[in-house]
Amino acid sequence: DTGVSQDPRHKITKRGQNVTFRCDPISEHNRLYWYRQTLGQGPEFLTYFQNEAQLEKSRLLSDRFSAERPKGSFSTLEIQRTEQGDSAMYLCASSPTSLEQYFGPGTRLTVT
Amino acid sequence: AQSVTQLGSHVSVSEGALVLLRCNYSSSVPPYLFWYVQYPNQGLQLLLKYTTGATLVKGINGFEAEFKKSETSFHLTKPSAHMSDAAEYFCAVSGPGNQFYFGTGTSLTVIP
Repeated sequence: DTGVSQDPRHKITKRGQNVTFRCDPISEHNRLYWYRQTLGQGPEFLTYFQNEAQLEKSRLLSDRFSAERPKGSFSTLEIQRTEQGDSAMYLCASSPTSLEQYFGPGTRLTVT
Repeated sequence: AQSVTQLGSHVSVSEGALVLLRCNYSSSVPPYLFWYVQYPNQGLQLLLKYTTGATLVKGINGFEAEFKKSETSFHLTKPSAHMSDAAEYFCAVSGPGNQFYFGTGTSLTVIP
């Protein structure tokens, strides 16, 4: 199975620390998305890449968040100076078109 | 602006009974509509999608949904519930800029 993979699956960190998550999309999918999902809610859009270009960023993405997709393949999402409110599931999705998205298993972040 | 409302955060059905999960959308452009399923600690899996053409769409695992423009609805149905259908279901609409807008989800419980 060569679906979307995310690493790590779980991350526990102390408030104020920096964390970085990785997403490997389905190969040849040029579109990559990051979402955040909190308990009892649906996923909320964070940012979108087409190849290596970051084309959209949500207002939810504060200055402490940064995402990259340096070679148009894998992507990283970094959160600096984590806060307890950052605790959530971070989902990555990839797509060959705008018609559907394939999601990874997510990275669950807990900030203590 | 795009948004999705899922009526009923929790739905319980008996095994073998009809499943009906409700979704209403708001969209400023002709919508693309999706249903995803999420099992515990997993990412989202696409059940079905409506883009253009036939308004009754069939998906995996026996699910189907009907796009009704006049009612701005895209309800999900399955004639006979199975225990393995117990999961969280999300309706989504795509908007300009390739963002997906998700509802808050409906948790389906199947009673043996």
